Amino acid sequence: AQSVTQLGSHVSVSEGALVLLRCNYSSSVPPYLFWYVQYPNQGLQLLLKYTSAATLVKGINGFEAEFKKSETSFHLTKPSAHMSDAAEYFCAVIQGAQKLVFGQGTRLTINP
Amino acid sequence: DVKVTQSSRYLVKRTGEKVFLECVQDMDHENMFWYRQDPGLGLRLIYFSYDVKMKEKGDIPEGYSVSREKKERFSLILESASTNQTSMYLCASSLPFPRFGNEQFFGPGTRLTVL
Repeated sequence: AQSVTQLGSHVSVSEGALVLLRCNYSSSVPPYLFWYVQYPNQGLQLLLKYTSAATLVKGINGFEAEFKKSETSFHLTKPSAHMSDAAEYFCAVIQGAQKLVFGQGTRLTINP
Repeated sequence: DVKVTQSSRYLVKRTGEKVFLECVQDMDHENMFWYRQDPGLGLRLIYFSYDVKMKEKGDIPEGYSVSREKKERFSLILESASTNQTSMYLCASSLPFPRFGNEQFFGPGTRLTVL
């Protein structure tokens, strides 16, 4: 079965600093991978997805992620953090044909 | 825009009550999902449905049942609510794989407290 591990349940960065949220997956087949964001008291919103096209995927709000098969990783980055990026971020991988398996989530805090 | 709506944002129930959580999507999606979200555990799949009247158990189905009588509506039922079912419940919908990379669209969530 596929699984996802997010390293770091909490990440704190200064405004303007690089954001790096880590995600490693295990999958026996070429994966479809996703990053979702959840703002306080809201549902999840798709940031970006990898579907076996380009390995560098650009998403909304300036985020991007790079698929590295050799490292089984799909880390999320943003060059310059903004206060509005404070949220919880979830990495997910397809399991079977229909289901998503989510990581534990990483709460991102932005310091002024 | 895809819209997934959930019947309540906040709900407080007593132990032993029967609880219904309703979810409606307006994009004619075949797949619908119920998750619960708990701190440090991420999202865990309770049940999903890939067609009307069809359902499959997810990772944590115990204590829950579901109903899908119409394509746009997916209900989660707690037959006899217990305190350990206090959680955030999220509904989602999607087209069937592989269309659109199986992106799931989420509702705003229902925060259920069982006293």
